[in-house]
Amino acid sequence: AQTVTQSQPEMSVQEAETVTLSCTYDTSESDYYLFWYKQPPSRQMILVIRQEAYKQQNATENRFSVNFQKAAKSFSLKISDSQLGDAAMYFCAYHTGNQFYFGTGTSLTVIP
Amino acid sequence: EPEVTQTPSHQVTQMGQEVILRCVPISNHLYFYWYRQILGQKVEFLVSFYNNEISEKSEIFDDQFSVERPDGSNFTLKIRSTKLEDSAMYFCASSELAAEYSPLHFGNGTRLTVT
Repeated sequence: AQTVTQSQPEMSVQEAETVTLSCTYDTSESDYYLFWYKQPPSRQMILVIRQEAYKQQNATENRFSVNFQKAAKSFSLKISDSQLGDAAMYFCAYHTGNQFYFGTGTSLTVIP
Repeated sequence: EPEVTQTPSHQVTQMGQEVILRCVPISNHLYFYWYRQILGQKVEFLVSFYNNEISEKSEIFDDQFSVERPDGSNFTLKIRSTKLEDSAMYFCASSELAAEYSPLHFGNGTRLTVT
């Protein structure tokens, strides 16, 4: 069974600092996709970053980057130069076929 | 930027009643989804829909649930006889291509409270 685990229900970071949100997953598949979604207080989920499992290079989107360790089934999100607008719930998600599996989320607080 | 729109934002209903949750996906998207998140729990997949039919559904999506695209714009989720455990946030999503090729766009969600 595919599962996604986010072991940090809450995290906080000082503005302008760097924070890493952890995510591990369990799968027997070799082809899949991993995502980080941000869910601000307005509740709409926004895609932050995606990673194809067949790509070894870690995905990067501006201040957001991932550390994808396929053998360890780990997919952490690093947010650099944290901004107040980064405060949100972050969901890690695994996708294969036509189904998504989400973690329970990490609530990120940014301290001014 | 085009958005997925969900109405209502909050729906309160009595146990045993039927509810219809409405979604307007982004206009050029072809794939549609419903997810739900029970308070404090993970987001759960319910169903995906393509070419006017269900392409995938989870074990949660039993006979009490149905989806429909009644016209060219709306995508609805109907719960025939609501139960207390149906209380959750329901998210609609759409994508231009199959979700592995293009990102999902989610709506703001409908909070369903069954009393």
